[in-house]
Amino acid sequence: QPVLTQSSSASASLGSSVKLTCTLSSGHSSYIIAWHQQQPGKAPRFLMKFEDSGSYNKGSGVSDRFSGSSSGADRYLTISNLQSEDEADYYCETWDSSTRVFGGGTKLTVL
Amino acid sequence: EVQLLESGGGLVQPGGSLRLSCAASGFTFSTYAMSWVRQAPGKGLEWVSTISTSGGGTYYADSVRGRFTVSRDNSKNTLYLQMNSLRAEDTAVYYCAKLISSACQYWGQGTLVTVSS
Repeated sequence: QPVLTQSSSASASLGSSVKLTCTLSSGHSSYIIAWHQQQPGKAPRFLMKFEDSGSYNKGSGVSDRFSGSSSGADRYLTISNLQSEDEADYYCETWDSSTRVFGGGTKLTVL
Repeated sequence: EVQLLESGGGLVQPGGSLRLSCAASGFTFSTYAMSWVRQAPGKGLEWVSTISTSGGGTYYADSVRGRFTVSRDNSKNTLYLQMNSLRAEDTAVYYCAKLISSACQYWGQGTLVTVSS
């Protein structure tokens, strides 16, 4: 089954941009993933899902400041014009016919 | 508006059982697969189980297979997770999630399960 690898932490300044990475394991580089945000003390929230074409579809109400991209086995979540409310844990998710996997999560600190 | 409301969590002794429920509203429940995902205190998200639209297909993480059973009642718009032989390591917040195009696109607020003597 696929494995998703994320950096445990990241930090960036208020108003700047940050790019978070989710890496698919060998042999699974074509898998589709989704990104989720979990603010402190809250349930996860779906941000976006990548499509086969490389494009992505965002969830309802997700800010234009959130965007996605990919390169090989890497899937990226870019947050521009960082706000204090973006300080959260970010998880990537993938799946196959019988299982579902989450990355370990990246804790984003807004300085 | 999609709403998922989990209930049934609580304190249970090791070896005990608990049944979680997830009441769904705001969408046609019977046409979406659903999943349970848990989060141990201070830890990341862990997939637990997925059930198909009809309930005919069920899938489990290795850590819970043989102890947990997922089911659904489409007439009641409700998802269930029967948890038996509970262990301390099952302590977590349990979330139900609605799958759209295979991704968890809506999440409930979660219910806390604590396994302790």
